[in-house]
Amino acid sequence: DGGITQSPKYLFRKEGQNVTLSCEQNLNHDAMYWYRQDPGQGLRLIYYSQIVNDFQKGDIAEGYSVSREKKESFPLTVTSAQKNPTAFYLCASSMLAGNEQFFGPGTRLTVL
Amino acid sequence: GQQLNQSPQSMFIQEGEDVSMNCTSSSIFNTWLWYKQDPGEGPVLLIALYKAGELTSNGRLTAQFGITRKDSFLNISASIPSDVGIYFCAGPGQGAQKLVFGQGTRLTINP
Repeated sequence: DGGITQSPKYLFRKEGQNVTLSCEQNLNHDAMYWYRQDPGQGLRLIYYSQIVNDFQKGDIAEGYSVSREKKESFPLTVTSAQKNPTAFYLCASSMLAGNEQFFGPGTRLTVL
Repeated sequence: GQQLNQSPQSMFIQEGEDVSMNCTSSSIFNTWLWYKQDPGEGPVLLIALYKAGELTSNGRLTAQFGITRKDSFLNISASIPSDVGIYFCAGPGQGAQKLVFGQGTRLTINP
């Protein structure tokens, strides 16, 4: 089955630790995206990548980093510099940048 | 930057009622997308609209691409409990490198 997987579904970390969220897609999509969602809020774009080995900052990139070494994978690292990291993180992909995006199931990160 | 305004922000209805929500922009969009997000899950694409005036249905859902290309509407007929969730509209932003999302309409259904 084609789709987007995010793991784990729930993640707990201590304050001050970096943590990496996984996102994998087997849809052969060129573009991938990371969003943050806070309770009762909409989606805010963190980073996006239109092609392998290239990525751009979104609206709230501070305290986050990404890599795009493979077409299928777009991991997001939440660094200790992110002041309020507890949130629901969503990964998405699209055939081309600007096309319809398909979302993964999300990872809920809680920093204690 | 471009913004999409969704209305209403939240709706509380009785099961069986019809639902209408809309999305407006100050700039033209060439594509309108409607997503639904269940609690604790990722958004799922419901309907995609590509042409001004287009009316598209997906089961009990019907969406329309406004003639001015600055708005879109989503209607749900005969609501059922599984319709509960947040509905987002979206469209390609300037430069078409990413999507712009509305803030969502939260639908709650009383049985």
